[in-house]
Amino acid sequence: AQKVTQAQTEISVVEKEDVTLDCVYETRDTTYYLFWYKQPPSGELVFLIRRNSFDEQNEISGRYSWNFQKSTSSFNFTITASQVVDSAVYFCALTLYSGNTPLVFGKGTRLSVIA
Amino acid sequence: DSGVTQTPKHLITATGQRVTLRCSPRSGDLSVYWYQQSLDQGLQFLIQYYNGEERAKGNILERFSAQQFPDLHSELNLSSLELGDSALYFCASSAGQNSYNEQFFGPGTRLTVL
Repeated sequence: AQKVTQAQTEISVVEKEDVTLDCVYETRDTTYYLFWYKQPPSGELVFLIRRNSFDEQNEISGRYSWNFQKSTSSFNFTITASQVVDSAVYFCALTLYSGNTPLVFGKGTRLSVIA
Repeated sequence: DSGVTQTPKHLITATGQRVTLRCSPRSGDLSVYWYQQSLDQGLQFLIQYYNGEERAKGNILERFSAQQFPDLHSELNLSSLELGDSALYFCASSAGQNSYNEQFFGPGTRLTVL
């Protein structure tokens, strides 16, 4: 079975600090997809990124960057120069390429950015 | 705005009652997924429909059922409600039938069972 662990339940940072949200996953399959979603206070889940297991290249999108390391089964998310609008719950998720496997979410990390 | 709509936004009901949650997917999306988000269980997949057919099933209770209609909207029926069913219920949609396709989430329906 697949499992996603987000060990950090809550993180609080001061605006403009960098922050990294950790995600560790477990699967025996070699082909899988990893996701990050953001859930702002409004409640809606917003897609941030999808990465497949064949692509270990790190990705940067503005102030967001993701570090995928198969060797440590981690898919960490870094926000550079955090802003108050980044305050949200962030979820890491995993699904397999094969079969009808559902998206498995971690418990989420609540990020509070203080002005 | 993801393009996925859910109604109602809030629902308050009593134990033992039955409710129906409705979801309209993004235009062109054939898959609809239902998720339950609660404090103790986190975000859990319930069920997926693809073009009217059940595609995958997760931790969905027997008291819960869903369907997808020819116009692709979906309904999640919750019956014999218990206090523990209080949660945020999300619907998501995607173009393809596989869960690795990008899923677009609706705003959710917050169900409170008193």
